[in-house]
Amino acid sequence: NAGVTQTPKFRILKIGQSMTLQCTQDMNHNYMYWYRQDPGMGLKLIYYSVGAGITDKGEVPNGYNVSRSTTEDFPLRLELAAPSQTSVYFCASSSLQQVVGQPQHFGDGTRLSIL
Amino acid sequence: GESVGLHLPTLSVQEGDNSIINCAYSNSASDYFIWYKQESGKGPQFIIDIRSNMDKRQGQRVTVLLNKTVKHLSLQIAATQPGDSAVYFCAENMAGGGADGLTFGKGTHLIIQP
Repeated sequence: NAGVTQTPKFRILKIGQSMTLQCTQDMNHNYMYWYRQDPGMGLKLIYYSVGAGITDKGEVPNGYNVSRSTTEDFPLRLELAAPSQTSVYFCASSSLQQVVGQPQHFGDGTRLSIL
Repeated sequence: GESVGLHLPTLSVQEGDNSIINCAYSNSASDYFIWYKQESGKGPQFIIDIRSNMDKRQGQRVTVLLNKTVKHLSLQIAATQPGDSAVYFCAENMAGGGADGLTFGKGTHLIIQP
């Protein structure tokens, strides 16, 4: 199993541009999450999904959109990139709700710079 | 402010010694806690987790202790190895086991001295 795969690994955007960060998992997990990590900080939740067709806002959703048309894929969309969105973005998935031994599995991140 | 935090931003230990990384949380309603290890350029890697109805849980070379009275969580790593060098995050779920993601602390950088 590949686990959680994120693409691209790196990207530089100009202010006002848009892009989609891709995330796919091959573990048949129902739950998927998007986090951002700023330098020297922990991760903050942007959006999450409990299954195909269902998404919900996390702690820092402004400036982002998500969709969940399939179990495997959970893309994150930036419509109008701003410098404050410069960060490392992590996608995660889990099979169950915070059950001991069934943790969230993370991808290796997308490093995004907005200039 | 942060509901989950760490007492020390950096912890330096000798190779072969035991490491203890501490974490404080403020929400008494949190009922799931987890430790992740993050190496440079990588995503968080699961180490061990625990629920609020437990005081202790052990894995391979790692132990998590939960003290609900003082809202304190710790990660003990036995016989620390060079490969243990990383940033360690504690995280909690504040929704009583819901699916709305984890709240992370800022992390502790564990440095292994040869």
